[in-house]
Amino acid sequence: KAGVTQTPRYLIKTRGQQVTLSCSPISGHRSVSWYQQTPGQGLQFLFEYFSETQRNKGNFPGRFSGRQFSNSRSEMNVSTLELGDSALYLCASSFRQGAYEQYFGPGTRLTVT
Amino acid sequence: AQKVTQAQTEISVVEKEDVTLDCVYETRDTTYYLFWYKQPPSGELVFLIRRNSFDEQNEISGRYSWNFQKSTSSFNFTITASQVVDSAVYFCALSDNDRGSTLGRLYFGRGTQLTVWP
Repeated sequence: KAGVTQTPRYLIKTRGQQVTLSCSPISGHRSVSWYQQTPGQGLQFLFEYFSETQRNKGNFPGRFSGRQFSNSRSEMNVSTLELGDSALYLCASSFRQGAYEQYFGPGTRLTVT
Repeated sequence: AQKVTQAQTEISVVEKEDVTLDCVYETRDTTYYLFWYKQPPSGELVFLIRRNSFDEQNEISGRYSWNFQKSTSSFNFTITASQVVDSAVYFCALSDNDRGSTLGRLYFGRGTQLTVWP
């Protein structure tokens, strides 16, 4: 079974631009979560989607948004990029919503210059 | 307040040594879940174990074992006879409904970098 895939793997953007990251969950998984990983803050939860609805949201500004499609694929968008948004963005999928094991993708490394 | 504390930032051992990674958590919820993940240099988090708060039985999986003690709010991870391939960052995580959180959201500790030397 194919794992979680994320595209692109690497991205370089300039301050003020916006970016869209994509995540395809494991086949049959309907819950998708996003996490940001930085050396300073560690792994932080962004949001969780299930059945195309946002179920959980972390403490991030409104510049961070996401959505989930009917095939469970998810995208996250960051508008008006700041230098501090440079991070590894990890997507995780789970069979159901709730405290079930989440399987992570390889991440998208975003660098903001 | 931090929910998961991994006090050991870095640990170095020589191959075949046993090593224990500590994890202390904080929650007021009675139903919660604890996890361990491994992050090798490639960056992808690898799921290792999930344990719910009602199951304090220790678990062993090959060279890996986990010790869950509610009395001390700890969920420690031991690798027996460590190998070079065990070198990675290991994260402990908690999921609960305490203080506005909801199940499905993982709170991660800061991780422990384990280096196993040949």
